[in-house]
Amino acid sequence: AQSVTQLGSHVSVSEGALVLLRCNYSSSVPPYLFWYVQYPNQGLQLLLKYTSAATLVKGINGFEAEFKKSETSFHLTKPSAHMSDAAEYFCAVSETGGYQKVTFGTGTKLQVIP
Amino acid sequence: DTEVTQTPKHLVMGMTNKKSLKCEQHMGHRAMYWYKQKAKKPPELMFVYSYEKLSINESVPSRFSPECPNSSLLNLHLHALQPEDSALYLCASRAVGTEAFFGQGTRLTVV
Repeated sequence: AQSVTQLGSHVSVSEGALVLLRCNYSSSVPPYLFWYVQYPNQGLQLLLKYTSAATLVKGINGFEAEFKKSETSFHLTKPSAHMSDAAEYFCAVSETGGYQKVTFGTGTKLQVIP
Repeated sequence: DTEVTQTPKHLVMGMTNKKSLKCEQHMGHRAMYWYKQKAKKPPELMFVYSYEKLSINESVPSRFSPECPNSSLLNLHLHALQPEDSALYLCASRAVGTEAFFGQGTRLTVV
């Protein structure tokens, strides 16, 4: 069974500082990996995805993530935090092939301090 | 059109009511999903439909009844719900090998 673990339920950064949100996955087969962002009372918006192509993935709003098979990690980074980045971030995993379930991590709430 | 549309956005229902949530997509995706999300928690999978057939049911109570009338529509019929069923209900659709696209959700309150 696949799963993801997000380290840190809350992360605080200063505006302009580096954002690093951690995600480790567990899967018996090469997975698809995703990062989603959720603003209060809204649905989930895809930031970026890894689907077995390039290991360094660039997404929207300046975010990127690197798939590291040796570390089973898919950490999300952004060089410079903006106030509008404050939100809940979810890492998610899905097995490849067919229409598989998408399983979410517990989420990390990002606070950006002015 | 890259949207998943959910209606209604908000719903308040009594424990003896019957109501339905609706989800619609026109991206040609052949998989559609229902998730339940409680406050400060991640989305939890309820059902997956692929090619209009129920492929995954995560042991959801029978008071939740999904229906997929065609490839663009997904309904969730609600009956005799409990206050603990109050949550944000999210619909998503997906093509093979891609990400899931989520709607904005229906905020359900059971009184």
